[in-house]
Amino acid sequence: DAGVIQSPRHEVTEMGQEVTLRCKPISGHNSLFWYRQTMMRGLELLIYFNNNVPIDDSGMPEDRFSAKMPNASFSTLKIQPSEPRDSAVYFCASRGAEAFFGQGTRLTVV
Amino acid sequence: QQQVKQSPQSLIVQKGGISIINCAYENTAFDYFPWYQQFPGKGPALLIAIRPDVSEKKEGRFTISFNKSAKQFSLHIMDSQPGDSATYFCAASKAGGYNKLIFGAGTRLAVHP
Repeated sequence: DAGVIQSPRHEVTEMGQEVTLRCKPISGHNSLFWYRQTMMRGLELLIYFNNNVPIDDSGMPEDRFSAKMPNASFSTLKIQPSEPRDSAVYFCASRGAEAFFGQGTRLTVV
Repeated sequence: QQQVKQSPQSLIVQKGGISIINCAYENTAFDYFPWYQQFPGKGPALLIAIRPDVSEKKEGRFTISFNKSAKQFSLHIMDSQPGDSATYFCAASKAGGYNKLIFGAGTRLAVHP
């Protein structure tokens, strides 16, 4: 398995634009997590899914953030509209017995 | 009760020395304790994990020590090498792969030659 795959690796966008981050989990893993990492706040859990169903979205900072998992092999995290304070590295992780992270998407909102 | 407290925030060790990072938790329902290693520009990578049925787990130069009564666990890196310089995160989770991982704040380790 190629591991957790995230795209794009880097994204630079202007404030107010819509941003969509994508994640392909490891096949057979039933849980998927979206994290945000910043120097100030460390690793923050935004939302997680079990069997494609959102279980806990209490970490989603605002209504501007939304996440979907239409099937077991794909998830998206959308920010609309984006703001400069959303600049961070966003990680997707999937879990079977153990959890594995993707390489992350570095988002810069200017 | 959901927090995992990690210390120190940063650590400098000489090559060949022992690096020790400590974590503490409050939720007694947690029963899975992994450690992740993160290099700049990369995602956190699973390093080693332990469950509370054992007090110690060793993989190469990396050892997890677990103290259930104190609700503490630690990572020891023996014979630390410059290539071990990275940020280390402890985490904790309830039983079942469908539960979320709660992460510590991270420890930035620098191993000097």
